[in-house]
Amino acid sequence: SQTIHQWPATLVQPVGSPLSLECTVEGTSNPNLYWYRQAAGRGLQLLFYSVGIGQISSEVPQNLSASRPQDRQFILSSKKLLLSDSGFYLCAWSVTVPGKSPLHFGNGTRLTVT
Amino acid sequence: GQSLEQPSEVTAVEGAIVQINCTYQTSGFYGLSWYQQHDGGAPTFLSYNALDGLEETGRFSSFLSRSDSYGYLLLQELQMKDSASYFCAVRDPNGQNFVFGPGTRLSVLP
Repeated sequence: SQTIHQWPATLVQPVGSPLSLECTVEGTSNPNLYWYRQAAGRGLQLLFYSVGIGQISSEVPQNLSASRPQDRQFILSSKKLLLSDSGFYLCAWSVTVPGKSPLHFGNGTRLTVT
Repeated sequence: GQSLEQPSEVTAVEGAIVQINCTYQTSGFYGLSWYQQHDGGAPTFLSYNALDGLEETGRFSSFLSRSDSYGYLLLQELQMKDSASYFCAVRDPNGQNFVFGPGTRLSVLP
């Protein structure tokens, strides 16, 4: 069966510090991978998605970046965090073919920038 | 682009039936999905409708009308554990993105 791992679960970082969040998927090949952000009590904002190694699409201009160095690994990074980067970050995967296949989310990382 | 609208909050009592509506505007359509998210947790998939009509999964059902760009999630025999946020979502015309509605917070009262 497929599983998705995301870490860390919580993170407190000072403004201006770097960020690296990692997500890995097991049990499937060539998945689509996604990073979403959710502000407290709000909806899900798509940040990045990837359909293959090294292929990254950005949905929202910001000081975050994403990379996919391996088929089942997705990394979210920042060189200098802003207060507005605080939120709940969710990694997700889906199969590549459109249709009934849903998004499968990791447990999320709660980031607080102080 | 895609946009979805949902009521922000719904309140109901245990054992009741509640309907959460979702209207969408899309330039293409690959079906409407529903997700449940408990406070502090990650969203989990509930149901998917690609064609018009009702899909039933236990106490939860989901309905779609493509001509009206409208769907709803129906929760029956409400339980306290159903208190959560519910999101409708559509898949982008390029087939690779998922766009979510703003979410409906359901509170189930005893």
